[in-house]
Amino acid sequence: RKEVEQDPGPFNVPEGATVAFNCTYSNSASQSFFWYRQDCRKEPKLLMSVYSSGNEDGRFTAQLNRASQYISLLIRDSKLSDSATYLCVVNPRTGNQFYFGTGTSLTVIP
Amino acid sequence: GAVVSQHPSWVICKSGTSVKIECRSLDFQATTMFWYRQFPKQSLMLMATSNEGSKATYEQGVEKDKFLINHASLTLSTLTVTSAHPEDSSFYICSAISNSGNTIYFGEGSWLTVV
Repeated sequence: RKEVEQDPGPFNVPEGATVAFNCTYSNSASQSFFWYRQDCRKEPKLLMSVYSSGNEDGRFTAQLNRASQYISLLIRDSKLSDSATYLCVVNPRTGNQFYFGTGTSLTVIP
Repeated sequence: GAVVSQHPSWVICKSGTSVKIECRSLDFQATTMFWYRQFPKQSLMLMATSNEGSKATYEQGVEKDKFLINHASLTLSTLTVTSAHPEDSSFYICSAISNSGNTIYFGEGSWLTVV
């Protein structure tokens, strides 16, 4: 089983829609969780960390469900500029290793 | 601004030659850096973990003699693609972990084209 699994999509949604991605992880002892955004032909950039209590940054909400071992990212009122690949990243804290999902492709359509 | 910088951003080389890509942590010391490769429309693939002052740890299937990694200082790791072939053409990205150990920062990436 992979350390981190994501639905690769693609997700094609109209502007203004709400879209959610999930990412499951296999190591129940994992400590840190992140969502990164990668634009085409660019490096991944940190979008937000995921805290146990959940956290929100503008239109973006991240949640952690330890019981079911998944994290989620919710994007409200989608903008064209949200089109990108969203990577979930998990740090199991067993070393300096970070595990990446394969990424979920989102395209927001006018 | 960038906290991890890569150079060069773009490089074209002839088959059989070697290419060196540098990865620098600008605002912090990185004892561990990572090197990835990403082919078009595919996910990041971890190639190796670069440890300052010691040998890199390579992922299964990655040829250590072809992809030479040197991490001689706390702010610089280099990846040398030796005897490059067209199939080595890819987007190479490095990353480093913050001093707090809980955030990973990526370099801007290096596009390698082997002709």
